Amino acid sequence: DGGITQSPKYLFRKEGQNVTLSCEQNLNHDAMYWYRQDPGQGLRLIYYSQIVNDFQKGDIAEGYSVSREKKESFPLTVTSAQKNPTAFYLCASSSGRANQPQHFGDGTRLSIL
Amino acid sequence: DQQVKQNSPSLSVQEGRISILNCDYTNSMFDYFLWYKKYPAEGPTFLISISSIKDKNEDGRFTVFLNKSAKHLSLHIVPSQPGDSAVYFCAASGGGGSNYKLTFGKGTLLTVNP
Repeated sequence: DGGITQSPKYLFRKEGQNVTLSCEQNLNHDAMYWYRQDPGQGLRLIYYSQIVNDFQKGDIAEGYSVSREKKESFPLTVTSAQKNPTAFYLCASSSGRANQPQHFGDGTRLSIL
Repeated sequence: DQQVKQNSPSLSVQEGRISILNCDYTNSMFDYFLWYKKYPAEGPTFLISISSIKDKNEDGRFTVFLNKSAKHLSLHIVPSQPGDSAVYFCAASGGGGSNYKLTFGKGTLLTVNP
């Protein structure tokens, strides 16, 4: 089945640690996205990538980093510079063409120990 | 600056009746609008979309209406079912460039009572 896989579903981080969230898609989509959701809030864009080896900052990129070495994969690293990392993180992908929806994975919930 | 607004945090309807979820936007460059449904601890699921060249799009029980002059769109669910209970997000894209980023509203929690 085609889809987007995020792992792990739950992740715990100690203060000062970097953690990496995985996102893999087998939809042959060119574009991939990372969003953050906080309680009572909409989804806010962290980073996006329209093509392999290229990515751009979204609205709240500070404290995060990404890479796009393969079309299928778009991992997100939450660095120790992110002061409020506790949130629900969602990865999405799309064809990258106009008027096409983004499709989402099931998310990773990150908590600080 | 919230470019996509869902002013009702919650909505409660009876099973079998119509649910109407509303969304307003401020950016006149938006030209593609989407509705997503989300259950707790899951990712959003795409429901229906509409481009700015249309004013209505239907898919089964779901219909989206777009009023460009008022910068307003709405999602109608008829008839509503208990399984429709979820948070519904409105999203929009456009505004130039080719990255097709989505801007989301804060969501409306729909509760359909049996």
